[in-house]
Amino acid sequence: NAGVIQTPRHKVTGKGQEATLWCEPISGHSAVFWYRQTIVQGLEFLTYFRNQAPIDDSGMPKERFSAQMPNQSHSTLKIQSTQPQDSAVYLCASSPLGGYNYAEQFFGPGTRLTVL
Amino acid sequence: GDSVTQTEGPVTLSEGTSLTVNCSYETKQYPTLFWYVQYPGEGPQLLFKVPKANEKGSNRGFEATYNKEATSFHLQKASVQESDSAVYYCALGGRGGNYKPTFGKGTSLVVHP
Repeated sequence: NAGVIQTPRHKVTGKGQEATLWCEPISGHSAVFWYRQTIVQGLEFLTYFRNQAPIDDSGMPKERFSAQMPNQSHSTLKIQSTQPQDSAVYLCASSPLGGYNYAEQFFGPGTRLTVL
Repeated sequence: GDSVTQTEGPVTLSEGTSLTVNCSYETKQYPTLFWYVQYPGEGPQLLFKVPKANEKGSNRGFEATYNKEATSFHLQKASVQESDSAVYYCALGGRGGNYKPTFGKGTSLVVHP
């Protein structure tokens, strides 16, 4: 089991460019979560999918950020017109949701985005 | 909504001393509680979870008891090692349909030899 895979591990963009981050969840996990992590804000929830359907995007900035899960093997987080304040580590996690009890999350190593 | 409050860091200790990281939560649901640990350059990983009130979770010498009455879930270790230096997150998960987790802001622990 390779765990959650995130690519690229590091990405540098210029201000105003687009950035697309990829996540491959653990096979068989039914939920995928995206987070943003900074020194100041800590771990911020962005959005999550269950069985590929978007369930909660309450943490997503309404402009410029979008997430998709076109199939069960990958999800993408796209940031349009990147700004320096978007610089952060973006973490993806998957979870084997099922039954009534909440299950733990398995995190990937993250993508460090730097916007110059 | 749900909230989690934990000890602000950084916490600096010497090897062999004891650790307590406080975690308090507010929720209207009956949560499952988790502690995650994040080492430099990695994503958070589960330290342990405790699904039921008044039960104890433990792993790698760390333990925490889910106190439903006090709505607390403090992390403790009797004798820390330099390798325990990391960021620790307390988290609560919903139950029955609401899978969006709530994480605390994290507590950075630095252990000196």
